[in-house]
Amino acid sequence: AQSVAQPEDQVNVAEGNPLTVKCTYSVSGNPYLFWYVQYPNRGLQFLLKYITGDNLVKGSYGFEAEFNKSQTSFHLKKPSALVSDSALYFCAVRGVNNAGNMLTFGGGTRLMVKP
Amino acid sequence: GAVVSQHPSWVICKSGTSVKIECRSLDFQATTMFWYRQFPKQSLMLMATSNEGSKATYEQGVEKDKFLINHASLTLSTLTVTSAHPEDSSFYICSARTPPFLAAYEQYFGPGTRLTVT
Repeated sequence: AQSVAQPEDQVNVAEGNPLTVKCTYSVSGNPYLFWYVQYPNRGLQFLLKYITGDNLVKGSYGFEAEFNKSQTSFHLKKPSALVSDSALYFCAVRGVNNAGNMLTFGGGTRLMVKP
Repeated sequence: GAVVSQHPSWVICKSGTSVKIECRSLDFQATTMFWYRQFPKQSLMLMATSNEGSKATYEQGVEKDKFLINHASLTLSTLTVTSAHPEDSSFYICSARTPPFLAAYEQYFGPGTRLTVT
């Protein structure tokens, strides 16, 4: 079975500083990896995905993520955080060999960016 | 990108009544739709997967008779919470996936429906 771990319930960062939200995964075969953001009382918004190719993936709102196969990680990063980035972030994996091709989500990490 | 809508965005109902939540894919045909449930400050828990024209596949622990799912067309799936109780209060999110023959093969999420049972 595939799984996703987000080890930090909350990440605090000052505005303008770089941010990292951690994610590790476990899946059979090559993974499809995703990051989503959720604002209060809203659904999930897609940020970026890794399917194949370059390990550094660039996404929406200046976010990027680095796929590291040896460490089975897909950490979300942004060089300079904004207060408006404060939200709940979910990492997800979809196993290529999973017949159901379902997304499995991590527990989520709340990002708090303080002015 | 593709848009998924949900209606209503929030609903308050009395215990014992039934509530229907609609999920629509607005600009693409979704052969597969998913229903998730999210408790406060928690992750999304998959409740069921529905394929157009066939019965939904429920995850373990989800009562199929309580959470009725109908996926009658390629753009509409409904979740009916029957005989709702306060413990059913939650945030319900649907998701629609593009057909596998499309390059994107993405899963898009609706804005969610906040259900409160009093």
